[in-house]
Amino acid sequence: DQQVKQNSPSLSVQEGRISILNCDYTNSMFDYFLWYKKYPAEGPTFLISISSIKDKNEDGRFTVFLNKSAKHLSLHIVPSQPGDSAVYFCAALTQGGSEKLVFGKGTKLTVNP
Amino acid sequence: EAQVTQNPRYLITVTGKKLTVTCSQNMNHEYMSWYRQDPGLGLRQIYYSMNVEVTDKGDVPEGYKVSRKEKRNFPLILESPSPNQTSLYFCASSFYGELFFGEGSRLTVL
Repeated sequence: DQQVKQNSPSLSVQEGRISILNCDYTNSMFDYFLWYKKYPAEGPTFLISISSIKDKNEDGRFTVFLNKSAKHLSLHIVPSQPGDSAVYFCAALTQGGSEKLVFGKGTKLTVNP
Repeated sequence: EAQVTQNPRYLITVTGKKLTVTCSQNMNHEYMSWYRQDPGLGLRQIYYSMNVEVTDKGDVPEGYKVSRKEKRNFPLILESPSPNQTSLYFCASSFYGELFFGEGSRLTVL
């Protein structure tokens, strides 16, 4: 049973436009959510996170939105740049629990010049 | 520099030949974990460790062993590798949920 779902395996956008990556979760115990970015031949790197007590967190061009009632979060990248082309993983955990991160399968973002 | 170091980065081996992938972190993190990444399946957790001498199974532990004798090291052991363990492996350490990943170890089992 997949607790964290990224239903779009890939996404293609034009440079300068907005990229929206979506993530859904099923476990209502999750209270901390993270996005990781992965380039080929490198390990994933932390991008941005959000706690369940917030509905938005912004860091430069990256904003994560959380809709708890819908069990949905999204990552917005504005404006998108070719260097943003990577695989993005959504992850969730229950704070105070085992610290076990549950990952989605990832979405491959391609930003075209 | 804070980092997670894995070795080897690349390895081709044969079925049944025991191998160990080492992982070391210099951030004094208590939590460490191993993942494998396969096409279409994302990152799946193999084993994790909450602290020294404390290890537990992740989602896909079959065919793997780990040990945590000291805080900085968390080796992954394949006692008798099989072709279905051909994968890209990542070690990670964590501070309050934010995982720091190693660069990955690509393993091919023939």
